[in-house]
Amino acid sequence: QKEVEQNSGPLSVPEGAIASLNCTYSDRVSQSFFWYRQYSGKSPELIMSIYSNGDKEDGRFTAQLNKASQYVSLLIRDSQPSDSATYLCAVNGDNFNKFYFGSGTKLNVKP
Amino acid sequence: EAQVTQNPRYLITVTGKKLTVTCSQNMNHEYMSWYRQDPGLGLRQIYYSMNVEVTDKGDVPEGYKVSRKEKRNFPLILESPSPNQTSLYFCASSSGPRLGYGYTFGSGTRLTVV
Repeated sequence: QKEVEQNSGPLSVPEGAIASLNCTYSDRVSQSFFWYRQYSGKSPELIMSIYSNGDKEDGRFTAQLNKASQYVSLLIRDSQPSDSATYLCAVNGDNFNKFYFGSGTKLNVKP
Repeated sequence: EAQVTQNPRYLITVTGKKLTVTCSQNMNHEYMSWYRQDPGLGLRQIYYSMNVEVTDKGDVPEGYKVSRKEKRNFPLILESPSPNQTSLYFCASSSGPRLGYGYTFGSGTRLTVV
């Protein structure tokens, strides 16, 4: 059973702060990594993907990947109350077509 | 509008009564997948399809069937539903998740089996 671990939270940050969300995975051969945001009662929506070690930036979001340590993180700069949601980490498995999701970290951004 | 359409949104059924949840995408994606989401367990992959007539099991395929006769459609079939299949189901499609393209998810189907 592949494992993708996330702290369930809730993670509370004040508006304007940096929110840091972390995810670890168990399968060393994983190649593709994704972050999704899911508002309560809604379906997940893709924030960004990353598959090379290092940082990838998209607007206020930065994904960081460290394959040696088997973790991927998401930084949200200038957090807004509208960022309050559950953030899901997803990782592909050894056959590359199977994907495993963490159970998500709930983020609360307080005005 | 690019989207994945699932129907129905809500369904209450009785144990053993066959049901089908439909899923259709209009983005010409080759890859489609079904997930169930349960509290504390996250999203778990049921089945996926890499193209027409090509399907494979995910992590929790027991009690489910799928078919992919057309590129746009990927129905989920529960031949004999049981209460442990009560869950929130999502269909998703992608042009290539292994290439770094993420999923577009449908709105979800909340299934209750009594």
